[in-house]
Amino acid sequence: ETGVTQTPRHLVMGMTNKKSLKCEQHLGHNAMYWYKQSAKKPLELMFVYSLEERVENNSVPSRFSPECPNSSHLFLHLHTLQPEDSALYLCASSQGPEGNTEAFFGQGTRLTVV
Amino acid sequence: GQNIDQPTEMTATEGAIVQINCTYQTSGFNGLFWYQQHAGEAPTFLSYNVLDGLEEKGRFSSFLSRSKGYSYLLLKELQMKDSASYLCAVLDSNYQLIWGAGTKLIIKP
Repeated sequence: ETGVTQTPRHLVMGMTNKKSLKCEQHLGHNAMYWYKQSAKKPLELMFVYSLEERVENNSVPSRFSPECPNSSHLFLHLHTLQPEDSALYLCASSQGPEGNTEAFFGQGTRLTVV
Repeated sequence: GQNIDQPTEMTATEGAIVQINCTYQTSGFNGLFWYQQHAGEAPTFLSYNVLDGLEEKGRFSSFLSRSKGYSYLLLKELQMKDSASYLCAVLDSNYQLIWGAGTKLIIKP
């Protein structure tokens, strides 16, 4: 099993749909992250979880709802998205939320909102 | 505001050397990361600098000058597989990672 696995790899959804992105890490890390990556823009941190508790929410719209049931799994629930939400959504994990350790990324979910 | 600047795109020749620069203005500093990201793939860790100087790791080296708010990633003996985007990220005083937009490196034969 690879370090950080994300499913699905690609997702097309309408603006009225509800879908969920899944992330799983097998590295024994304590912190997990959701990032948004848009073309030619810096990575945007969306959510940080440490030991299953949310420690950071960078003013993300409520149409994105994270869930961390345990330290190995992270979900991003999506509903009533907008076309500008189309992007690559990356999950990452690290030893701790302090950020001074290497982050391991999943391959991302390419989301298209139509 | 916090800002990371790096060139949008660079082109280099196979076998040559290329230097990718990164300048930063952040509220505090707790280290600087370089990541490599091939198209359609996950970013992967290359280096972490927290003290001034050069860190060498095989064909890749990373340099940091905290007083100048400057870092570079040096790639030697370029190979076609080095074609990728290179992301610079700084850990600020709140231990939040501030990311640059990435430098797309194109290697030509």
